[in-house]
Amino acid sequence: EDQVTQSPEALRLQEGESSSLNCSYTVSGLRGLFWYRQDPGKGPEFLFTLYSAGEEKEKERLKATLTKKESFLHITAPKPEDSATYLCAVQAKWDTGRRALTFGSGTRLQVQP
Amino acid sequence: ETGVTQTPRHLVMGMTNKKSLKCEQHLGHNAMYWYKQSAKKPLELMFVYSLEERVENNSVPSRFSPECPNSSHLFLHLHTLQPEDSALYLCASSQLHGATEAFFGQGTRLTVV
Repeated sequence: EDQVTQSPEALRLQEGESSSLNCSYTVSGLRGLFWYRQDPGKGPEFLFTLYSAGEEKEKERLKATLTKKESFLHITAPKPEDSATYLCAVQAKWDTGRRALTFGSGTRLQVQP
Repeated sequence: ETGVTQTPRHLVMGMTNKKSLKCEQHLGHNAMYWYKQSAKKPLELMFVYSLEERVENNSVPSRFSPECPNSSHLFLHLHTLQPEDSALYLCASSQLHGATEAFFGQGTRLTVV
């Protein structure tokens, strides 16, 4: 069974205080690992896809990295508008028959001015 | 319109009512999904449709009945729901091959009274 564990559950940062969110995963045959941002009452917004260990992706103040067991979402000099819940999800290889994403519980990030 | 559109955004229904949730995607994708998001819990996969055929059914009670008439539309028919079914219901779509990240709609906030 695919499993995704995110930590911490909640994180409060001061504006400009960099930090990292962790996503540990177990999946037999990784097709891809995905990061999403979700604002309250809205659907998740796609951020990144990572396919293989060692891969990195960047977007503005966010940088996602991947190893064989975990992924990190690094937030550099965050701003209040970065406050949201960040979700990690994994997808198994297509030939396993498991086509949908398995999500973690998310990290609720609050950035204070 | 672009992206994934869900209607209605909010729904309050009694336990004896019958209602339907609608999802439409304008991304040219060939897979569509229903997820349930309850407070403090990870997104739970309900159904997956691939090329209009249901390919995954995650042990969802029969009071939830999906319908996928074509690759752009997905419905979730609801009847005799329970209060514990109150949640945010999210529709998503993706490609089957290549870049397979899922894109989500804004969700339907369902309250069962």
